[in-house]
Amino acid sequence: EAQVTQNPRYLITVTGKKLTVTCSQNMNHEYMSWYRQDPGLGLRQIYYSMNVEVTDKGDVPEGYKVSRKEKRNFPLILESPSPNQTSLYFCASSPEVSGAGNEQFFGPGTRLTVL
Amino acid sequence: QKEVEQNSGPLSVPEGAIASLNCTYSDRGSQSFFWYRQYSGKSPELIMSIYSNGDKEDGRFTAQLNKASQYVSLLIRDSQPSDSATYLCAGFQGAQKLVFGQGTRLTINP
Repeated sequence: EAQVTQNPRYLITVTGKKLTVTCSQNMNHEYMSWYRQDPGLGLRQIYYSMNVEVTDKGDVPEGYKVSRKEKRNFPLILESPSPNQTSLYFCASSPEVSGAGNEQFFGPGTRLTVL
Repeated sequence: QKEVEQNSGPLSVPEGAIASLNCTYSDRGSQSFFWYRQYSGKSPELIMSIYSNGDKEDGRFTAQLNKASQYVSLLIRDSQPSDSATYLCAGFQGAQKLVFGQGTRLTINP
């Protein structure tokens, strides 16, 4: 089954404790992206990647890191989480880098709480 | 000005009627637009994409794009209670960055 998977789905952690949220897609998609969704603010892009070893900042990259060592995986790293990073996180992938083919497919989401 | 703007609603429509959702965008260079549906607690699901001026129909859904006026709309005909969700409009800023509106919450009343 073609899908985007994220792990963990739920995470409660404490301020400053490094964490990684994994994202994997089995569709051989070029483009992958991370979003956070907060009430009243909608979906905001954190980072995106156009291919292996090619990543770029979205609108809200502060406090996050990403890597794209393999085409299928795009982990999101929070080196020192803070309470303002409490949010619902979505990973997405699409077959094309831009334009008409960039119809993004979303993972199930990771609800993160930082105490 | 937000890059992609939607009325957050809530929009309430009786069952069987036409629901009309609107979105405006600021980047005149944007070429590709998408409508996503998101149920509470779930991930966004793509329902329509549109790249050219005019209308695009898919079942009960019609997307409309007017580049001169910089707006995108989604019409849902014969609305069903299962259409109750938040609808997200998205467009590209530049070549690679997808920007979402805040979403419009739609409720279909039986």
